[in-house]
Amino acid sequence: DQQVKQNSPSLSVQEGRISILNCDYTNSMFDYFLWYKKYPAEGPTFLISISSIKDKNEDGRFTVFLNKSAKHLSLHIVPSQPGDSAVYFCAASHTGGGNKLTFGTGTQLKVEL
Amino acid sequence: ETGVTQTPRHLVMGMTNKKSLKCEQHLGHNAMYWYKQSAKKPLELMFVYSLEERVENNSVPSRFSPECPNSSHLFLHLHTLQPEDSALYLCASSKGYGVVGNTIYFGEGSWLTVV
Repeated sequence: DQQVKQNSPSLSVQEGRISILNCDYTNSMFDYFLWYKKYPAEGPTFLISISSIKDKNEDGRFTVFLNKSAKHLSLHIVPSQPGDSAVYFCAASHTGGGNKLTFGTGTQLKVEL
Repeated sequence: ETGVTQTPRHLVMGMTNKKSLKCEQHLGHNAMYWYKQSAKKPLELMFVYSLEERVENNSVPSRFSPECPNSSHLFLHLHTLQPEDSALYLCASSKGYGVVGNTIYFGEGSWLTVV
């Protein structure tokens, strides 16, 4: 049972436009959500996170939105740059579950010139 | 540089070999993890160590044997592996275990091929 789902395996966006990556979850116990970025042959790099007490967190070009009622989170990248081309994973955890992150399967983002 | 260093980056081993993966974190963290990433699958948690004590073993076969001699080092000892064990093995660390809002930081991974 996939508790964290990224239904779009790939996304293509033009440079300078907004990239929106989506993630859905089923476990209502999740209270901390993270986005990681991964280049080929490298480990995932932490990007941004959000606690369930917030609905938005912003860091430079990256903003994460959380809609608890819909069990949905999204990552917005604006403006998108070619160096943003990578696989993006969302992950979730819950207090009492340690840091046991449950990951989605990832979305490959390609930013085109 | 991520602060979590893994060696070797690439390893090819036969099914009868014994080898080890090594991880070192320079972040002063107290918890360390082994994850596995196979093709087309989500990242799978294998083991968690907190303050050098194993706190999670996610139904991992005994041919994978972790060791945490101190809070900065983590090993994964491998023996009699199967070809389906070929994957990217990722080490990670975090400040603590069971702490709200604690972020996990990954190493660059060790690509393992079992022939």
